[in-house]
Amino acid sequence: DAKTTQPPSMDCAEGRAANLPCNHSTISGNEYVYWYRQIHSQGPQYIIHGLKNNETNEMASLIITEDRKSSTLILPHATLRDTAVYYCIVRTNFGNEKLTFGTGTRLTIIP
Amino acid sequence: DTEVTQTPKHLVMGMTNKKSLKCEQHMGHRAMYWYKQKAKKPPELMFVYSYEKLSINESVPSRFSPECPNSSLLNLHLHALQPEDSALYLCASSQVNMGFTNEKLFFGSGTQLSVL
Repeated sequence: DAKTTQPPSMDCAEGRAANLPCNHSTISGNEYVYWYRQIHSQGPQYIIHGLKNNETNEMASLIITEDRKSSTLILPHATLRDTAVYYCIVRTNFGNEKLTFGTGTRLTIIP
Repeated sequence: DTEVTQTPKHLVMGMTNKKSLKCEQHMGHRAMYWYKQKAKKPPELMFVYSYEKLSINESVPSRFSPECPNSSLLNLHLHALQPEDSALYLCASSQVNMGFTNEKLFFGSGTQLSVL
């Protein structure tokens, strides 16, 4: 069963902020939200993860709602190189739980 | 060095051939993974090695045989494959903290396999 729901595709103008939503209404208290992306012809790339607080790194920001049932990945100034499939994944950090990819969102940055 | 290197990048093989995919990392990671990705689909986990021991096998057919000869290398031996096994095969690695695999996986660019 899919733990996350993402829109299949989105467009964003170059230079604007790209906001990618993810629903995870059945997330449990010990599950983290992870984001990876996969640029064409490459392997997936880790972007960011969080539990309940908002997180920011050099690539993106992650905003998690207070009830933790949804989150948004924000790419603050999208470039053409950000065109990729973005995967939102929920996973505990205990044991050796698998990293299971859903169908993701295909983000296209428009010049 | 934060790279996971996979060879070959492309492979074409017949159904009676035996071939191997190779993966190498020098980040000191003690967990290594094989994923399979069909066109326009998400990656699917096949195998996980932790400290050179197989820890997860996702009910993969025996025509796929993984091997982890040391902490830096991971192989996938292929024998008697079917055309439906044609896919992108991705290798990944991660740290192991206190016996648990880390959430941050580093992926290679994959081997595009075609079975004729």
